[in-house]
Amino acid sequence: KQEVTQIPAALSVPEGENLVLNCSFTDSAIYNLQWFRQDPGKGLTSLLLIQSSQREQTSGRLNASLDKSSGRSTLYIAASQPGDSATYLCAVITQGGSEKLVFGKGTKLTVNP
Amino acid sequence: DGGITQSPKYLFRKEGQNVTLSCEQNLNHDAMYWYRQDPGQGLRLIYYSQIVNDFQKGDIAEGYSVSREKKESFPLTVTSAQKNPTAFYLCASSITLGQAFFGQGTRLTVV
Repeated sequence: KQEVTQIPAALSVPEGENLVLNCSFTDSAIYNLQWFRQDPGKGLTSLLLIQSSQREQTSGRLNASLDKSSGRSTLYIAASQPGDSATYLCAVITQGGSEKLVFGKGTKLTVNP
Repeated sequence: DGGITQSPKYLFRKEGQNVTLSCEQNLNHDAMYWYRQDPGQGLRLIYYSQIVNDFQKGDIAEGYSVSREKKESFPLTVTSAQKNPTAFYLCASSITLGQAFFGQGTRLTVV
């Protein structure tokens, strides 16, 4: 059974700092991996999708990498801003896993002005 | 304006009542999902559907039911058999194996 782990559970940084969020998964046979952002009391916003054949994806100040063989992904946020404060979740779709998204519990990020 | 619409935003249920949460999408996605989110538990899959008139149980389907009569609609019914229904419910849709998009959620409270 696929399990997704996100470390750390919470992170607090000063504004302007570059930071890395980690995601690991136990079954490396995945179709894709997605990173989401969730603001308090809101739904999830899709940030980046990495297909299993890709190594990374970039969108603005966000860069996500994927090392499928080691079961790891990182989300790099450059020049963090207070508006980046949110919970970040990663999720994978596993091959042979009935095509459903399996989520980690998320990392709660606070960027202090 | 394309997207996923969940309604209502807030819902209150009395003990023993069934309630239905609405999820509608105009993205022409085949797949739709229902998740439950509790503090400290992350998102847990309730039901999902890959095609009209077909759906599968997720990890916590007991006490819930769904239907998929139309491509754009995937309503979730929380039955009286669900003993602890207070939670935040999220609906999502995607093309098969593609990027998933979520609605804004429904917060259900038992009163």
